[in-house]
Amino acid sequence: NAGVMQNPRHLVRRRGQEARLRCSPMKGHSHVYWYRQLPEEGLKFMVYLQKENIIDESGMPKERFSAEFPKEGPSILRIQQVVRGDSAAYFCASSPTDGTEAFFGQGTRLTVV
Amino acid sequence: SQKIEQNSEALNIQEGKTATLTCNYTNYSPAYLQWYRQDPGRGPVFLLLIRENEKEKRKERLKVTFDTTLKQSLFHITASQPADSATYLCALDASGGNNRKLIWGLGTSLAVNP
Repeated sequence: NAGVMQNPRHLVRRRGQEARLRCSPMKGHSHVYWYRQLPEEGLKFMVYLQKENIIDESGMPKERFSAEFPKEGPSILRIQQVVRGDSAAYFCASSPTDGTEAFFGQGTRLTVV
Repeated sequence: SQKIEQNSEALNIQEGKTATLTCNYTNYSPAYLQWYRQDPGRGPVFLLLIRENEKEKRKERLKVTFDTTLKQSLFHITASQPADSATYLCALDASGGNNRKLIWGLGTSLAVNP
């Protein structure tokens, strides 16, 4: 089992561009979570998805951010028209069911220049 | 508002000693609490989960306690080793047992000196 795979590991975007972050959960896991981590703020929940459904997006900004977890393929976190404040590490985690341990990927470090 | 506090200062201890890390919370009644380890440039790695009806949980050299009256969890690493040096994160369930509402502390940095 390869674990949770995120790519790219590092992403540099200019202000106004789009950023696409990908996450392949562990085999057999149908629950995916996205978190953002800033150095002085810790991990912040963004969105929780199951296959083809967004279950909870209460932590995700209403504008410019979107997430999906299609029937086939990885989960995608999409940030449109990036701004400098979007620079952070974005982590994806998966779990087989709610209320159990979450397995994290290595993260994508987004830098907006 | 909901708040989690971990030792803000880095903890330096000698190899072989026991490291004790603290996680305090306010305005919560979590169904469970989790501890993770995070190394620089990497994602958090799950260590232990303790439920509200459990006082103590052990796994090899790790021990976690959970006092819902004090609203505090203690994380112990016995016989510490330099390889235990990392940042340790405390996370609380804030949604009645569902991972989607994990609230995280900022972490405590532990350095174990040989």
